[in-house]
Amino acid sequence: GAGVSQSPSNKVTEKGKDVELRCDPISGHTALYWYRQRLGQGLEFLIYFQGNSAPDKSGLPSDRFSAERTGESVSTLTIQRTQQEDSAVYLCASSLASNSPLHFGNGTRLTVT
Amino acid sequence: AQRVTQPEKLLSVFKGAPVELKCNYSYSGSPELFWYVQYSRQRLQLLLRHISRESIKGFTADLNKGETSFHLKKPFAQEEDSAMYYCALMVKAAGNKLTFGGGTRVLVKP
Repeated sequence: GAGVSQSPSNKVTEKGKDVELRCDPISGHTALYWYRQRLGQGLEFLIYFQGNSAPDKSGLPSDRFSAERTGESVSTLTIQRTQQEDSAVYLCASSLASNSPLHFGNGTRLTVT
Repeated sequence: AQRVTQPEKLLSVFKGAPVELKCNYSYSGSPELFWYVQYSRQRLQLLLRHISRESIKGFTADLNKGETSFHLKKPFAQEEDSAMYYCALMVKAAGNKLTFGGGTRVLVKP
């Protein structure tokens, strides 16, 4: 693909349900990042993968949040028992190496009702 | 912990006027600084990074370690510069995590 692809682009879910967000990075990019952007706020770091391992999970806001990456490719961010404060745009980015510029996807807009 | 501050949420300038977006960071070591931009209905993308020392779309940014700043400047703003701009800091010791500021919305009026 030409760029980082995220799905779904929009997700509306009821409070208490689990959601899974997907990120397909650019082929060959070893580093993958997840960020969250709440309305009117900046980008909040969630987690970073180098290959399939996550050396930095410090940004995950609670144990309801988890992420995995397989095959040094696709990553999924799972939010269990969603809360209204989880409503945000979730952005994924990948880079060729860990110190290269990031390429962002269009994001998944999550709305928890 | 590293932090990036963009004190202006909104900058409104007229076409042809200079524009300067402020960015201050807190980190005691040698950081890498970036500016990312998001145009309307487009994805966030890299504008420039300090180690490249290049001018992109007429924008320049100078890293001032004494003032811990990385302000973005353009002498003559154009309407197509209207966008959201984010300053970002990468620290290798922190696993190359990219920390973003809160963003500045630039509106260039005709």
